[in-house]
Amino acid sequence: QKEVEQDPGPLSVPEGAIVSLNCTYSNSAFQYFMWYRQYSRKGPELLMYTYSSGNKEDGRFTAQVDKSSKYISLFIRDSQPSDSATYLCAMTDTGGFKTIFGAGTRLFVKA
Amino acid sequence: NAGVTQTPKFRILKIGQSMTLQCTQDMNHNYMYWYRQDPGMGLKLIYYSVGAGITDKGEVPNGYNVSRSTTEDFPLRLELAAPSQTSVYFCASTSDPNNSPLHFGNGTRLTVT
Repeated sequence: QKEVEQDPGPLSVPEGAIVSLNCTYSNSAFQYFMWYRQYSRKGPELLMYTYSSGNKEDGRFTAQVDKSSKYISLFIRDSQPSDSATYLCAMTDTGGFKTIFGAGTRLFVKA
Repeated sequence: NAGVTQTPKFRILKIGQSMTLQCTQDMNHNYMYWYRQDPGMGLKLIYYSVGAGITDKGEVPNGYNVSRSTTEDFPLRLELAAPSQTSVYFCASTSDPNNSPLHFGNGTRLTVT
């Protein structure tokens, strides 16, 4: 079993839709959870991060962590064509040095 | 601030050749990482370093070597290139992996034929 599971998609939605992206994980020691966005031929860039359980909102983006279910989500409201990218979940355990990534979900937002 | 800089951007190697992928960061980060990214597979950790002179293996270290003689530089060496090493390689750094995000370079696209 992979430590982090993420559906690679692709996911295609119309402009203005609400997008839900998800990851599950197996290591209960993970405490620091991140979402990265990666445009084609670029390096990943941090979009959102949360520490332990709970929600975090930043503009059109909301990140949720449910540690009891080992499940994290990223919601994008009022999606735009510029949101078309690959979204990678990532997580690190407390005291650890390594960040583990999911496979990434390719998102296409159609105008 | 340049952030994390990787060179070259592209490279084609023949089987058995060797090369060094360069990575440098100007943020004074102690932690540096090399990942490879294959289609649909996410990022796999090759090697990482927690400071100058200290390196350790990640998930997929076979066929690679690293060194960390300075805080700024973390080169990745391929000694005998194989087709399985065709990938996009990303270098990243952070000040603290437990509460600060990774900063990535823009990658090196390597093809081994």
